[in-house]
Amino acid sequence: QVQLQESGPGLVKPSETLSLTCAVSGYSISSGYYWGWIRQPPGKGLEWIGSIYHSGSTYYNPSLKSRVTISVDTSKNQFSLKLSSVTAADTAVYYCARHGGSYYSPDAFDIWGQGTMVTVSS
Amino acid sequence: EIVMTQSPATLSVSPGERATLSCRASQSVSSNLAWYQQKPGQAPRLLIYGASTRATGIPARFSGSGSGTEFTLTISSLQSEDFAVYYCQQYNNWLSLTFGGGTKVEIK
Repeated sequence: QVQLQESGPGLVKPSETLSLTCAVSGYSISSGYYWGWIRQPPGKGLEWIGSIYHSGSTYYNPSLKSRVTISVDTSKNQFSLKLSSVTAADTAVYYCARHGGSYYSPDAFDIWGQGTMVTVSS
Repeated sequence: EIVMTQSPATLSVSPGERATLSCRASQSVSSNLAWYQQKPGQAPRLLIYGASTRATGIPARFSGSGSGTEFTLTISSLQSEDFAVYYCQQYNNWLSLTFGGGTKVEIK
């Protein structure tokens, strides 16, 4: 059974960098699939942040691209998100998720982590 | 960016009734469309991918249809556990994956 678990600070100060990690169990990241981050501000909808393949190939939401870095650590079977220069608008539940796809096109998110709330406040 | 518009924002339905949710894309996404269900405090759950294929373990009362820019999620006979928020999502290319604003299905 594939499971994803997000971890990281629940409170980040404005202008600092938000850092989260998603630990994957029950499946080896090196075996395939894409691994993504999605966020959801309180009471609002879902926003894709970006995704990574085990090889390190990354795809980012153009609206966040200048501030986002996603990396993968296959030895630890986990992937990470860094979002720089955060503001209150970055306050959200952050989910990690698995999805299929290829070099040419992505696929739906089939397995999600439970999510972690990150608040940006001084 | 492809904009996904869902309607209605809220749908009031009685248990046992049929629910029809709509999703429109600002440009064609072919059949690269998924539907998710989200209950309060939980992560979204994949219901439908490829516009009409049910994900593993999803009951047959959930069905998806459409292609191009117009899509529909139908719940044939609403059960108590189906009251939730439903999101559509397009994944036509890597330029951006976008979600609709959601439809809340509430008890009438």
